[in-house]
Amino acid sequence: RKEVEQDPGPFNVPEGATVAFNCTYSNSASQSFFWYRQDCRKEPKLLMSVYSSGNEDGRFTAQLNRASQYISLLIRDSKLSDSATYLCVVILQGGKLIFGQGTELSVKP
Amino acid sequence: DAGVIQSPRHEVTEMGQEVTLRCKPISGHDYLFWYRQTMMRGLELLIYFNNNVPIDDSGMPEDRFSAKMPNASFSTLKIQPSEPRDSAVYFCASSLTSGSGNEQFFGPGTRLTVL
Repeated sequence: RKEVEQDPGPFNVPEGATVAFNCTYSNSASQSFFWYRQDCRKEPKLLMSVYSSGNEDGRFTAQLNRASQYISLLIRDSKLSDSATYLCVVILQGGKLIFGQGTELSVKP
Repeated sequence: DAGVIQSPRHEVTEMGQEVTLRCKPISGHDYLFWYRQTMMRGLELLIYFNNNVPIDDSGMPEDRFSAKMPNASFSTLKIQPSEPRDSAVYFCASSLTSGSGNEQFFGPGTRLTVL
């Protein structure tokens, strides 16, 4: 079993749609969680941290469920510019980052 | 700041040749990370340094791979001899600290093709 698993997609949605990505992790001692965004043929960039209480940044909402070892990212009112691959990232004890395979999102006009 | 700088951006070489990838982290960052990304395996951490010292190299695939950080502003990842299965995008990233809440800044990557 992979340490961090994501649905690879692709998710094809129309502009304005709400889309949710899920991520599960296997190491219960994982300490911190993030979502990164990677545009085609570009480097990954931090999108947002994921806090236990859930957190929101504009149209983006991240949730963490430690009991189920599950992380989610919700994008509301999706824009064409949201098209990218979204990477779930888990930090283990000791600071090692584990990236999921990524979920590809394509927003169509 | 110019961000993390990597060179070359593209490298095409023949099997058996030595390949050296270079990275300049963001000034003042204590941590430097080397990653490899392929379609099949996604983004994998190869090795990371703290204050120029290698901390965890468990992701280095085999002895053909080696990494050094001679000073705070420069690191290299070397593959000798290279093989076609080494073809991938290699990213370097740096951060102020490691672990909880610390953003990693990635370089643009080196796209390596081994023929």
